[in-house]
Amino acid sequence: KQEVTQIPAALSVPEGENLVLNCSFTDSAIYNLQWFRQDPGKGLTSLLLIQSSQREQTSGRLNASLDKSSGRSTLYIAASQPGDSATYLCAVKTGANSKLTFGKGITLSVRP
Amino acid sequence: DGGITQSPKYLFRKEGQNVTLSCEQNLNHDAMYWYRQDPGQGLRLIYYSQIVNDFQKGDIAEGYSVSREKKESFPLTVTSAQKNPTAFYLCASSTTGDINEQFFGPGTRLTVL
Repeated sequence: KQEVTQIPAALSVPEGENLVLNCSFTDSAIYNLQWFRQDPGKGLTSLLLIQSSQREQTSGRLNASLDKSSGRSTLYIAASQPGDSATYLCAVKTGANSKLTFGKGITLSVRP
Repeated sequence: DGGITQSPKYLFRKEGQNVTLSCEQNLNHDAMYWYRQDPGQGLRLIYYSQIVNDFQKGDIAEGYSVSREKKESFPLTVTSAQKNPTAFYLCASSTTGDINEQFFGPGTRLTVL
């Protein structure tokens, strides 16, 4: 059974810092990995999707990498801003159906 | 505007009552999903549907029911059999096939009084 882990559960950094959020998964036979952002009381916003054949994807200040063989993905946020404060979740698709397995998320706080 | 809508945003239920949460999408997606989110637990899949008139149980289907009569709509009923229904409920949709990006609605917060 696929398990997705995100450690630490919470992170606080000063504004302007470059930071890396980690995601690990136990079954490397994935189809794709998706990173989401969730603001308090809101739904999830899709940030980046990496296909199993890809190594990384970029969108603005965000860069996500995937190392399937080691079961790891990282989300790199450049020059963090207070508006980046949110919970970041990663999820993987393992089976042929379209279900995702989610990590519990990392709550990021960027201090002004 | 393409997207997923959920209603209501807040819902209050008395114990013993069934309630239905609405989810509609205009993204022309074949697959739709219902998740439950509790503090510290992450997202757990309740039901999902990959095509009209077909759906499968997720990890925590007990006490819930769904229907998929139209491609655009996937309502979730929380029945009185669900012992701890207070939670944040999220609906999502995606294409089917090998690579699927899931998109989420804004959520419904259900509180049992």
